[in-house]
Amino acid sequence: EIVLTQSPGTLALSPGERATVPCRASQSVSSSYLAWYQQKPAQTPTLLIYGASNRASGIPDRFSGSGSGTDFTLTISRLEPEDFAVYYCQHYDPSSRTWTFGQGTKVEV
Amino acid sequence: EEQLVESGGDLVQPGGSLRLSCAASGFLFGPFWMHWVRQAPGKGLVWVAHINSDGTTIRYADSVKGRFTISRDNAKNTLYLQMNSLRAEDTAVYYCARDRGFPDAFNIWGQGTMVTVSS
Repeated sequence: EIVLTQSPGTLALSPGERATVPCRASQSVSSSYLAWYQQKPAQTPTLLIYGASNRASGIPDRFSGSGSGTDFTLTISRLEPEDFAVYYCQHYDPSSRTWTFGQGTKVEV
Repeated sequence: EEQLVESGGDLVQPGGSLRLSCAASGFLFGPFWMHWVRQAPGKGLVWVAHINSDGTTIRYADSVKGRFTISRDNAKNTLYLQMNSLRAEDTAVYYCARDRGFPDAFNIWGQGTMVTVSS
């Protein structure tokens, strides 16, 4: 079973700063099956990135994803006030057809 | 507008049962893989169960295997989650989610329904 680790659990940043959110897999995974979500307080998760680096429809270009193997990163180039939220990485394992989320990283002011 | 609306959440005693429903609208429900994802209060997202388009392939997280059953009725555009032998640790908001046409990510989520297991 692949485990996704998101550390640190909290990032304290200011508007206008660059945010780098890491996600580490317990073993090498295909970047095709790595996704990122944003969840604001009391709201439903929103898909940001799929295939490690592809922005979902309607997602601003200040959000970008990168990485391969075991290390993946979500980058927010310049934080807007609405970007302070919790970010989750997710992996799909096609061999078992199961999905796994990381425990989340909170980006706070 | 593509939409998922969950219902059926409630307060239930340990050992009890509950059936959640997720009504889809604004898109052709049948071809899409569907999922249930839960989130305990103040905690992260946890994938719970998956069903493919025609219901022939089903997968569960180990924590619910043998207790929960996912199903779908494509004629009614509805996804279900039958939850039996409920435990306190099953307390969570339960979201239904749709894949984006490929299995790698979920691009449509419902608003969630709260399940509380407590005596």
